[in-house]
Amino acid sequence: NAGVTQTPKFQVLKTGQSMTLQCAQDMNHEYMSWYRQDPGMGLRLIHYSVGAGITDQGEVPNGYNVSRSTTEDFPLRLLSAAPSQTSVYFCASSYAPHNEQFFGPGTRLTVL
Amino acid sequence: AQSVTQPDIHITVSEGASLELRCNYSYGATPYLFWYVQSPGQGLQLLLKYFSGDTLVQGIKGFEAEFKRSQSSFNLRKPSVHWSDAAEYFCAVAPPDGNQFYFGTGTSLTVIP
Repeated sequence: NAGVTQTPKFQVLKTGQSMTLQCAQDMNHEYMSWYRQDPGMGLRLIHYSVGAGITDQGEVPNGYNVSRSTTEDFPLRLLSAAPSQTSVYFCASSYAPHNEQFFGPGTRLTVL
Repeated sequence: AQSVTQPDIHITVSEGASLELRCNYSYGATPYLFWYVQSPGQGLQLLLKYFSGDTLVQGIKGFEAEFKRSQSSFNLRKPSVHWSDAAEYFCAVAPPDGNQFYFGTGTSLTVIP
């Protein structure tokens, strides 16, 4: 099993550009989530999904969109990137919200 | 609202010394409790978790944690630290009736020879 995979590993954007961070898991997990990690802030939940077709907002959802058309994939979209979105983004999956979460390797995003 | 507090931003210990990392949570009922470790440039790896039962939980890499309901704490311990334990440690909670995971701000551990 590949576990949780994320692409790309690094990305540089200009302010106003859009992009999609990809996340996929092959463990048949229903629950998937996106976090951003900033120095001194820990991990903050952006969006999560409890199953295909169901998504909800986390602590810091503004500026990000998600969709969950399949169990395996949970892409995160930045519609108009801002410097405040410079961060490391982690995708995670688990059987249920309160179970152990399995993390991807992260995407380091810089917005100029 | 739920919250997780890790009061120590950074800790330095000598190799072979004991370690305790603190974690306090704020929640009405007992949540599910976790400790994760993040090595530089890596994702997060689960060290241990507490759902119910014995309040002393054993994890990987020689770590253990003790749940104390009266103090709303879930402190992580290791009797003898190795240089490879240098990393960032995160405490996390998951309310049993909710859909979200909450992380603390992390404690960075430096191990000196």
